[in-house]
Amino acid sequence: GGIITQTPKFLIGQEGQKLTLKCQQNFNHDTMYWYRQDSGKGLRLIYYSITENDLQKGDLSEGYDASREKKSSFSLTVTSAQKNEMAVFLCASSDWGGYAEQFFGPGTRLTVL
Amino acid sequence: DAKTTQPDSMESTEGETVHLPCSHATISGNEYIYWYRQVPLQGPEYVTHGLQQNTTNSMAFLAIASDRKSSTLILPHVSLRDAAVYHCILDSGGSNAKLTFGKGTKLSVKS
Repeated sequence: GGIITQTPKFLIGQEGQKLTLKCQQNFNHDTMYWYRQDSGKGLRLIYYSITENDLQKGDLSEGYDASREKKSSFSLTVTSAQKNEMAVFLCASSDWGGYAEQFFGPGTRLTVL
Repeated sequence: DAKTTQPDSMESTEGETVHLPCSHATISGNEYIYWYRQVPLQGPEYVTHGLQQNTTNSMAFLAIASDRKSSTLILPHVSLRDAAVYHCILDSGGSNAKLTFGKGTKLSVKS
């Protein structure tokens, strides 16, 4: 088995601040994803990466940057935090080739003051 | 437009068999049906997926209608740990599955 670790678990920032969320996986999966979940709503895809140094935009990429430094890690940066971005950010990974189950981390809970 | 339709909530009692319905009338021929579940303060957990044939695993049985326009996730002998929001999702995969989750069905389980 494997595990996905997200740091930090809780992140408090100021409006306009640049904030970075980190994700690590030891499944040796090729693909990693960042999703955002607003309270009481479903998940929306921000960025995904099919291999090291690859980046693909999701439906909600505006206002975010991402970086796949190595196969096991995927970072997400909120370029300028806004009050309406209080949400849970979820990282996931899966094997290459689609039709594959995605394994999710516990999430980072962002609060913008 | 939502690609799947699920009831907002369902209630059950421990030990019962629960049938969670999902309607996907506009499903494409290459789209798989995925089910995930999520409990508060945790990320979603994969339950099962299927294309055309019914599937079964240790967690659930997935019944897919012959015209593929609907499916039912069947949870046998539910326990309190099965209380969660269950999401029915369609995806054609391709390069990689990019899942879009709706609100799902909130399943409550009483002791």
